[in-house]
Amino acid sequence: GENVEQHPSTLSVQEGDSAVIKCTYSDSASNYFPWYKQELGKGPQLIIDIRSNVGEKKDQRIAVTLNKTAKHFSLHITETQPEDSAVYFCAASSPYSSASKIIFGSGTRLSIRP
Amino acid sequence: GAGVSQSPSNKVTEKGKDVELRCDPISGHTALYWYRQSLGQGLEFLIYFQGNSAPDKSGLPSDRFSAERTGGSVSTLTIQRTQQEDSAVYLCASSLFPPGTSGKHEQFFGPGTRLTVL
Repeated sequence: GENVEQHPSTLSVQEGDSAVIKCTYSDSASNYFPWYKQELGKGPQLIIDIRSNVGEKKDQRIAVTLNKTAKHFSLHITETQPEDSAVYFCAASSPYSSASKIIFGSGTRLSIRP
Repeated sequence: GAGVSQSPSNKVTEKGKDVELRCDPISGHTALYWYRQSLGQGLEFLIYFQGNSAPDKSGLPSDRFSAERTGGSVSTLTIQRTQQEDSAVYLCASSLFPPGTSGKHEQFFGPGTRLTVL
């Protein structure tokens, strides 16, 4: 079945610098890759997603890139701000697996240093 | 509009007792998921409901765990004879469409129920 690995598990960056979180997936049929942000005491919230027919997607300071050949996808946050501090989860799903299976990575705890 | 709500927000119970956790999904969402999140860990899939189809129970860790979804709306996760290792945050999510479809299947999460088993 699908397996999603996420790195790093923790990341600390200076405010204003960029942060990059990387994920790999195992199922080449996966075609949907969302990223969720979880703030302390809250449930995860979708911040950006990408489908396999697109190589890159941007939304203001965040962007996601997808390399289907290498089965890699990454989240890029530019000009980081204190409110970016949270746990970030990547995920992948395939139309050919069980319909319930969106597989999440293990999460990255991002801290922004003032 | 109203998001996904869960109750209670916190639950402390003694080992061996049964607990029920409730989830109210967003109205009209056909898909409902339960996840478990242990301290500092990722999201562990438990069970999935889609419309009137039989639920996918493949993530339930033992037969002490069960869930229902009545009338295609509210869902209850029941844990019988709770153990200390059941302590975690239990998250519920709903989506308008299930994954694997062309429709938007963003999952909307509730705030979770923090379960502590003493």
